[in-house]
Amino acid sequence: NAGVTQTPKFRILKIGQSMTLQCAQDMNHNYMYWYRQDPGMGLKLIYYSVGAGITDKGEVPNGYNVSRSTTEDFPLRLELAAPSQTSVYFCASRATVGAGELFFGEGSRLTVL
Amino acid sequence: AQTVTQSQPEMSVQEAETVTLSCTYDTSESNYYLFWYKQPPSRQMILVIRQEAYKQQNATENRFSVNFQKAAKSFSLKISDSQLGDTAMYFCAFRAPGANSKLTFGKGITLSVRP
Repeated sequence: NAGVTQTPKFRILKIGQSMTLQCAQDMNHNYMYWYRQDPGMGLKLIYYSVGAGITDKGEVPNGYNVSRSTTEDFPLRLELAAPSQTSVYFCASRATVGAGELFFGEGSRLTVL
Repeated sequence: AQTVTQSQPEMSVQEAETVTLSCTYDTSESNYYLFWYKQPPSRQMILVIRQEAYKQQNATENRFSVNFQKAAKSFSLKISDSQLGDTAMYFCAFRAPGANSKLTFGKGITLSVRP
């Protein structure tokens, strides 16, 4: 029962470097989301996708990019990392029907120095 | 736009006692979905309980129950017989009807259970 899998769990980047956070789900969910959570704070939506080939911006998309080539995968790309992107990143997915609760990955802690 | 308000940033409860976490929301929709999520120190986001607005009966999951007051737009979480493992941040969330609607989260409340 893998659910939503995120990699890596931890990463340290230098300012200006780029990286991709991977997210995969095995529940055949159409909807996928990327959130960031700063220390002691709530969740802010970065990007989301309603199906393969379709993505859209959330509240805080600047400095990030996404793609959705398959139903299973929804990678988040950080270009030119900045200290303000130090955060914990969560990927989540949900089914099309029902109450629509989110299933979350375990999170990826990113530090930009 | 919908908003979710959790006005208490922190709460503390003695082990084995009962605690209630408050949540209010604002919407013009008549049908919607409400959720409570738990985030322990491990940071994993865990669904605690869900409530569908068209159901009058309050949802219950073991020691967790909600007091859903639709007219007052209130959705509080009651934790009975609190355990040390209940120490976590708790988020209230709202989702409007519609396939593409997104969850709106409150800012969360930090609950500490004292031994």
